[in-house]
Amino acid sequence: DQQVKQNSPSLSVQEGRISILNCDYTNSMFDYFLWYKKYPAEGPTFLISISSIKDKNEDGRFTVFLNKSAKHLSLHIVPSQPGDSAVYFCAASAKLTGGGNKLTFGTGTQLKVEL
Amino acid sequence: DAGVTQSPTHLIKTRGQHVTLRCSPISGHKSVSWYQQVLGQGPQFIFQYYEKEERGRGNFPDRFSARQFPNYSSELNVNALLLGDSALYLCASSLDGRGGYGYTFGSGTRLTVV
Repeated sequence: DQQVKQNSPSLSVQEGRISILNCDYTNSMFDYFLWYKKYPAEGPTFLISISSIKDKNEDGRFTVFLNKSAKHLSLHIVPSQPGDSAVYFCAASAKLTGGGNKLTFGTGTQLKVEL
Repeated sequence: DAGVTQSPTHLIKTRGQHVTLRCSPISGHKSVSWYQQVLGQGPQFIFQYYEKEERGRGNFPDRFSARQFPNYSSELNVNALLLGDSALYLCASSLDGRGGYGYTFGSGTRLTVV
């Protein structure tokens, strides 16, 4: 049961334009949503997160939008830069019975920013 | 400042063997989580530990076990290795394992089972 889905395995965008990465989820109990960026041979790097009670969070070139009624979130990168080329993972946080949280990841979207 | 350190970076094991993977969290972080990433998939939650106590376990067989030491470092153990255990194993460190912030991942251990 895939609770977090990224339906686009790849996305190609020109430098300077907007990149929009999408993510859908099914579990209403998720309390935070996060985006991670991953380069080959490295671990995922945290980019930005949003609480389930918010609908927008912005940090520099990165903005995450949350539509709870549609169970959909998106990451906007403006302007896109060649260094943004990486795999982007959407993740959702849910509480553990023992008191912490676990992340459920999507399958990732490979972003390529072309000159 | 040292980030999350995982060792070894790569290893090759034979089916049926046992493996131990190690993780040192960021200084001051008391929680460690383990994730398995199979090729083409997102990371999947295995365990979370906080102050040496297990807080949660993902949908993995009992062949997978872990522990956290007083210095907050952690070990992931896998017994009776199967070909399907071949994956990148990631360790994530955080202050207390809560919320949507501050999960810092290591670069992972690439395990190949032959």
